[in-house]
Amino acid sequence: KNQVEQSPQSLIILEGKNCTLQCNYTVSPFSNLRWYKQDTGRGPVSLTIMTFSENTKSNGRYTATLDADTKQSSLHITASQLSDSASYICVVSLSGGSYIPTFGRGTSLIVHP
Amino acid sequence: GAVVSQHPSWVICKSGTSVKIECRSLDFQATTMFWYRQFPKQSLMLMATSNEGSKATYEQGVEKDKFLINHASLTLSTLTVTSAHPEDSSFYICSATRGTGANEKLFFGSGTQLSVL
Repeated sequence: KNQVEQSPQSLIILEGKNCTLQCNYTVSPFSNLRWYKQDTGRGPVSLTIMTFSENTKSNGRYTATLDADTKQSSLHITASQLSDSASYICVVSLSGGSYIPTFGRGTSLIVHP
Repeated sequence: GAVVSQHPSWVICKSGTSVKIECRSLDFQATTMFWYRQFPKQSLMLMATSNEGSKATYEQGVEKDKFLINHASLTLSTLTVTSAHPEDSSFYICSATRGTGANEKLFFGSGTQLSVL
């Protein structure tokens, strides 16, 4: 069964600190992995997308890494801001055929001043 | 700017009424759109895959007669929650894919918060 597991489930950090979110998946065959940020009551917004051959992808203070051998990805947030408080969702898709994504349960991040 | 528009953003309705949610791809043709629902503090759950010109494919456990999906054009898919009940109260989100292969991108609508009284 294709699964995407995220950890931690929730995280509280102080403004200005760094943090790393984890995503492990069993989706196979693998096409791409995406990280989304979802504010409460809003649709998810794409942060990064990585294909099988990519190891790292940055988007401002967000840096995603991918190890396709171990099927692990991480999202590193540098110098956190209050506006980073949100849910971060890891989404993995199968290769070939119709695109049907598999969602992780997300990590709820709270940044305190 | 937004490439997938979802409307309305929120709706409050009485139990037993039907509610229609629209999902539009603004600057591209989407042969496939997806509908999700999300309960508080939980992840998105895929409800159905909407295919233009054909019947939607529903995930296991999703009632076809309850959640009617119509993908009448390449830029519009609608989800109708029929005879809504309080347990249908949830956050509904649509998405559409643009491009293929390594260039494939998934865009989400802004979501619709449905509250059934």
